[in-house]
Amino acid sequence: SQQGEEDPQALSIQEGENATMNCSYKTSINNLQWYRQNSGRGLVHLILIRSNEREKHSGRLRVTLDTSKKSSSLLITASRAADTASYFCATLRSGGYNKLIFGAGTRLAVHP
Amino acid sequence: DARVTQTPRHKVTEMGQEVTMRCQPILGHNTVFWYRQTMMQGLELLAYFRNRAPLDDSGMPKDRFSAEMPDATLATLKIQPSEPRDSAVYFCASASIYRQGVSNQPQHFGDGTRLSIL
Repeated sequence: SQQGEEDPQALSIQEGENATMNCSYKTSINNLQWYRQNSGRGLVHLILIRSNEREKHSGRLRVTLDTSKKSSSLLITASRAADTASYFCATLRSGGYNKLIFGAGTRLAVHP
Repeated sequence: DARVTQTPRHKVTEMGQEVTMRCQPILGHNTVFWYRQTMMQGLELLAYFRNRAPLDDSGMPKDRFSAEMPDATLATLKIQPSEPRDSAVYFCASASIYRQGVSNQPQHFGDGTRLSIL
């Protein structure tokens, strides 16, 4: 069963615009991770935010975590066509024996 | 760059046949995961190993699936007999995890085996 649910399911934007994807989850977590998947490829880890952190940055990526609302957001600034991919959030539940639970993903299309 | 290697990349076979998928984790990683990805179910964890020992295979259909790590450089996932509903992309991922229950280490995924059972 899926712990995280991404919103929206699909997002279409123009190059240069910002893309925001949201993730909600149901149980207490140890950390939350975002992954990217290009078509026909495996998932690539983007960023990890721990349960005691509220915001984290990595290059053009900004992740926020609100444990009171059990939600996270991923912001990609100044998007590029190469950012076109599916983005997944994954949660490591507290006491979860290192099992990541993935959401259904957001399909992002960035048009030149 | 170190990467997880999966073979074969594609496999098409008829139902009832045995299917073996292989994974070479990143050298030095002690934890290996097997996932299955479908449009309907998304990404599901099938099994995972630490230091070659199975820790959890509760996501795996026991009657036809089996996962093993004959050595630290090879993990295998077998389906026997295969069925059309097993058609999916199977991913292997590896990580360095040394503390039970808590990991702030990312998982590194291979590019998967796309399996089609006719």
